[in-house]
Amino acid sequence: GAVVSQHPSWVICKSGTSVKIECRSLDFQATTMFWYRQFPKQSLMLMATSNEGSKATYEQGVEKDKFLINHASLTLSTLTVTSAHPEDSSFYICSARGDIDTQYFGPGTRLTVL
Amino acid sequence: RKEVEQDPGPFNVPEGATVAFNCTYSNSASQSFFWYRQDCRKEPKLLMSVYSSGNEDGRFTAQLNRASQYISLLIRDSKLSDSATYLCVGAIGGGYNKLIFGAGTRLAVHP
Repeated sequence: GAVVSQHPSWVICKSGTSVKIECRSLDFQATTMFWYRQFPKQSLMLMATSNEGSKATYEQGVEKDKFLINHASLTLSTLTVTSAHPEDSSFYICSARGDIDTQYFGPGTRLTVL
Repeated sequence: RKEVEQDPGPFNVPEGATVAFNCTYSNSASQSFFWYRQDCRKEPKLLMSVYSSGNEDGRFTAQLNRASQYISLLIRDSKLSDSATYLCVGAIGGGYNKLIFGAGTRLAVHP
């Protein structure tokens, strides 16, 4: 199946710093990528839909100025958590939509903010 | 009310047992449904799609009842490797446009 990578797989940062997470579709082009967040023992929650060459669409309650999304190419979308705080600590997962309208998930990035 | 609700479990079953998971959804706009499997600290992986006519994939059988807004997953002859969290997922917008995940049901299969 199609492969989606994320980098980094885990990151620890100090409160107030910004963290960038990359999501790449390795063997296919993805016009649409999705960013999810999962807190312990909770469901994956869609944060935003990222479309190549246009602004991301954010879900209700997700601050677009805090979670900056850039989808500059058909194989790369980035999520930047700006001024991260401990409550932003979570498991961030991206997915990429392929030609047959299937979502392929990345392995996730575990963010810990101290 | 959550859009997709599942019993969190855990379900502790011996190898070889048959186990059933249920899921209900509240958004009637959901067009497609899926079961995903998620191992600890890993990304979710698609297990199977769910159809009203019911569908089977080896030891796994899924069923959708649109009238009751109810989805089920049956696992027969449980294996140790089936231990994971099973996520009930609805899609809005056709295909995989927007996925709504349930919180998952934990399954632990023991020897």
